Amino acid sequence: DAGVIQSPRHEVTEMGQEVTLRCKPISGHDYLFWYRQTMMRGLELLIYFNNNVPIDDSGMPEDRFSAKMPNASFSTLKIQPSEPRDSAVYFCASSPHWGLAGSSYNEQFFGPGTRLTVL
Amino acid sequence: LAKTTQPISMDSYEGQEVNITCSHNNIATNDYITWYQQFPSQGPRFIIQGYKTKVTNEVASLFIPADRKSSTLSLPRVSLSDTAVYYCLVGGNAGNMLTFGGGTRLMVKP
Repeated sequence: DAGVIQSPRHEVTEMGQEVTLRCKPISGHDYLFWYRQTMMRGLELLIYFNNNVPIDDSGMPEDRFSAKMPNASFSTLKIQPSEPRDSAVYFCASSPHWGLAGSSYNEQFFGPGTRLTVL
Repeated sequence: LAKTTQPISMDSYEGQEVNITCSHNNIATNDYITWYQQFPSQGPRFIIQGYKTKVTNEVASLFIPADRKSSTLSLPRVSLSDTAVYYCLVGGNAGNMLTFGGGTRLMVKP
């Protein structure tokens, strides 16, 4: 398996523009997570899905952010309109299972990230 | 969510054993303890996970005392390639999400 795939790897845009980040999880993984990483705030969980359904979006900073998972092999994180403070590295991760009572490992497999710069 | 506290940075030399301790005083009964490693420009990578006592795999050991209020990641005989940021997390059970703290920046010197 190629692992978690994210695109684009780098994105530079101007303030006010719409930005769409894409993620392809590892086949067979039921959970998908979106994170944001900055020097100031570290690695923050934005939202996660189980079987394509959003479970917890409490980490989404504001209404400008939205995430979808139309099928098991694709997810998007959209920012509209983008602002300079959205500049960060956005990671997507997937997991075969999560939080199952008695499960031995709750491993998340991270993608390479998308470095977003909003000018 | 359980909060974790770990040293901001550590230095070591090649061939030495490195122990990174993490405090998690309000860990819940169902929480697991997980460690991730992150290299620059890469996503975090799972190292090891445990619930209690000791867990060992091919790259590290995890020591967890009986009260589970702390844990220690042990890296045997580190090399330059072990220079990275190491994150301690608690949670991951019954829908309880993991929170990444600030991590420990390990610098391995020749």
